[in-house]
Amino acid sequence: DVKVTQSSRYLVKRTGEKVFLECVQDMDHENMFWYRQDPGLGLRLIYFSYDVKMKEKGDIPEGYSVSREKKERFSLILESASTNQTSMYLCASRTSGSIPDTQYFGPGTRLTVL
Amino acid sequence: QKEVEQDPGPLSVPEGAIVSLNCTYSNSAFQYFMWYRQYSRKGPELLMYTYSSGNKEDGRFTAQVDKSSKYISLFIRDSQPSDSATYLCAMRDTGNTPLVFGKGTRLSVIA
Repeated sequence: DVKVTQSSRYLVKRTGEKVFLECVQDMDHENMFWYRQDPGLGLRLIYFSYDVKMKEKGDIPEGYSVSREKKERFSLILESASTNQTSMYLCASRTSGSIPDTQYFGPGTRLTVL
Repeated sequence: QKEVEQDPGPLSVPEGAIVSLNCTYSNSAFQYFMWYRQYSRKGPELLMYTYSSGNKEDGRFTAQVDKSSKYISLFIRDSQPSDSATYLCAMRDTGNTPLVFGKGTRLSVIA
């Protein structure tokens, strides 16, 4: 059974804290993605990675950075958390080169910044 | 104009009804079309995957793609309370590019 796991389901942090969200996939997928999901705004792509040590900006990268040191792990970093980063964060992974290239999502991390 | 438009609903139907969910898009390069289902407090999961135009059927679900109109649909027959979820359309072009998602339609099927 394919699996994408995220380090926390719920997280509460203070404004200004550095926050790490971890994502691990066990499917040997090349591509990994970080989204945030907000009511009325849908899924918005923050960053993605096509390979180890590679990263690409998505639609809303400001205030975030990422790290991909190993193929199975993709980390999202909030350098200095702010209240407008309170959201549901979803990680996903996808293979490349085969069809259908199903994108699998993790269960999400609900982050609250106080 | 956003690349993918999807009516957010909410949509409420009685059990057994036929449900029609739709998305329109503007990018003619899109070739792969998907529908994801997301239950409350869960991540989205793939429901249907279609390449280019045409229909695809899987049980009570039918996905349709009309590339000439830039319009995709998901039909749910004999809807059940367990179908209550948010449905997101997603699409991409032929490259290894990120999916572009609609905002999702929230569906409630009332017993």
